Amino acid sequence: NAGVMQNPRHLVRRRGQEARLRCSPMKGHSHVYWYRQLPEEGLKFMVYLQKENIIDESGMPKERFSAEFPKEGPSILRIQQVVRGDSAAYFCASSPRYPGHTNTEAFFGQGTRLTVV
Amino acid sequence: KQEVTQIPAALSVPEGENLVLNCSFTDSAIYNLQWFRQDPGKGLTSLLLIQSSQREQTSGRLNASLDKSSGRSTLYIAASQPGDSATYLCAGLSGKAGAQKLVFGQGTRLTINP
Repeated sequence: NAGVMQNPRHLVRRRGQEARLRCSPMKGHSHVYWYRQLPEEGLKFMVYLQKENIIDESGMPKERFSAEFPKEGPSILRIQQVVRGDSAAYFCASSPRYPGHTNTEAFFGQGTRLTVV
Repeated sequence: KQEVTQIPAALSVPEGENLVLNCSFTDSAIYNLQWFRQDPGKGLTSLLLIQSSQREQTSGRLNASLDKSSGRSTLYIAASQPGDSATYLCAGLSGKAGAQKLVFGQGTRLTINP
């Protein structure tokens, strides 16, 4: 069972371009979370998705950022018109069940490191 | 709103020592607490998960405890090795029903000196 797969691992974009980050959860997992880690900082929650539904997007910037988790295919985090401040590591995590179960464990991918030049 | 704090921010100890990393959280209504390890430029590796009804979990040289009433968790590493050098993150699963999420501390950067 492969782990959480994120691609690309590294992404360079010029200011104003679009960045698309992909996350394939572990097999059988239907819950996906996106986190952002700025240099020398901890992980900050961005969005929680289930298949075809956004459950909590309270951590997403109001503009330029969007996320989806379609019925088929990976979850996508999309950043439009990137700026230098978007440079960070973006991590995806998946879990197999309703997160309210106390033994639910989240598994993280290797991350996508976005650099905006 | 849940806030998680880790102390110290950085720790350097000689090889072989036992050490304790601290994690505190403001909202005791957590579902579980996970400890992760992050190597430079890498992803997160889950080390231990403690359910809210449990007080501790052990895996090899690692032991994690949870005290919900005081809002604290500790990660104990026995007989430290240079390969233990990494950043250690704790995260509490909390939030309203149906929308729980992991809230992370800033991490403790651990260096084990040979």
